[in-house]
Amino acid sequence: NAGVTQTPKFQVLKTGQSMTLQCAQDMNHEYMSWYRQDPGMGLRLIHYSVGAGITDQGEVPNGYNVSRSTTEDFPLRLLSAAPSQTSVYFCASSYGREETQYFGPGTRLLVL
Amino acid sequence: AQSVTQLGSHVSVSEGALVLLRCNYSSSVPPYLFWYVQYPNQGLQLLLKYTSAATLVKGINGFEAEFKKSETSFHLTKPSAHMSDAAEYFCAVSTGNQFYFGTGTSLTVIP
Repeated sequence: NAGVTQTPKFQVLKTGQSMTLQCAQDMNHEYMSWYRQDPGMGLRLIHYSVGAGITDQGEVPNGYNVSRSTTEDFPLRLLSAAPSQTSVYFCASSYGREETQYFGPGTRLLVL
Repeated sequence: AQSVTQLGSHVSVSEGALVLLRCNYSSSVPPYLFWYVQYPNQGLQLLLKYTSAATLVKGINGFEAEFKKSETSFHLTKPSAHMSDAAEYFCAVSTGNQFYFGTGTSLTVIP
């Protein structure tokens, strides 16, 4: 099993550009989530999904969109990048909220 | 709103000394509680979790944590620190369908 994979590993964007961060898992997990990690802030939940076709907002959803068309994939879209979105982004998956979350290796995003 | 407070953003201990990382949470319902570890440039890995079974939870690498409802605490301990324990540690709470992470504690182990 590959576990949770994320692409790309690094990305530099200009303000106003759009991009999609990819996340995939091969463990048949229903619960998937996106976090951003900033110094001194810990991890903050952006969006999450409890199954295919179901998504919901987390703590910091503004500026991000998600969709969940399959159990395996949970892409995160930045529609118009802003410098405040410079961060490290982690995708995670689990069988449920009470279960262990498995994290991807992260995507480092720099918005100029 | 739920919150997780980790006291001490940086903790230093000597090799072989006790490790104590503090975590307090606020939750209106019994939560699920977790400790994760993050090594440099990596994702997070689960150390241990509490899901309303035994209040003393044993995890990997000799770590354990005790759930104290009266103190709303879930502190992480290890009797003897090892150099390989140097990392960032995060406490997390799961309520509803959301996870809330603390701001993290960076552990330094001094040889």
